[in-house]
Amino acid sequence: DGGITQSPKYLFRKEGQNVTLSCEQNLNHDAMYWYRQDPGQGLRLIYYSQIVNDFQKGDIAEGYSVSREKKESFPLTVTSAQKNPTAFYLCASSIADGLAYEQYFGPGTRLTVT
Amino acid sequence: KNQVEQSPQSLIILEGKNCTLQCNYTVSPFSNLRWYKQDTGRGPVSLTIMTFSENTKSNGRYTATLDADTKQSSLHITASQLSDSASYICVVSAGPAGGSYIPTFGRGTSLIVHP
Repeated sequence: DGGITQSPKYLFRKEGQNVTLSCEQNLNHDAMYWYRQDPGQGLRLIYYSQIVNDFQKGDIAEGYSVSREKKESFPLTVTSAQKNPTAFYLCASSIADGLAYEQYFGPGTRLTVT
Repeated sequence: KNQVEQSPQSLIILEGKNCTLQCNYTVSPFSNLRWYKQDTGRGPVSLTIMTFSENTKSNGRYTATLDADTKQSSLHITASQLSDSASYICVVSAGPAGGSYIPTFGRGTSLIVHP
């Protein structure tokens, strides 16, 4: 069963704690992306990776970190430096970061920090 | 600054009726435009992708149009079904910039289909 998975679906953390969101894909895609979605706003790009061991900052990378040690995995860490971490986080992948390659999204993780 | 504006913000229609959603963009250099459907609490699912040279693309009851001159796109839904109730997101990518195609997402149009 091919696809992109995110876990957990819901995550609760206390303020000041780092938390890591999982994103795994078995589509053999080179490119992977992390987005944040807030109510009434469009998705915003946090980080993206075009290839293993390489990643680039998106529009709102401050307070986040990523790694891409394996092609299949692109975990996102929300650090205590992120001022407003409560949001819906979406991971996506595509064959490559190119002109008309479709992005496939995971089911999302809803993070609540109190 | 790249921007994508969608209208209306929300729309309520009766089952079986048609509707059209709008997307205006100021993205440069234009690479491609995508329409996604997002059910509540789920990840977006791609409906159509159009590049500069394409002005219409269909996916079942969904038909997207693109006017690159006026920088406008529309998504037409024919014979709506209850399952069409979702948020529809327009995404325009610019690039390549530094070797990547950076997407700008609209805020979405929330569609509710009533029986």
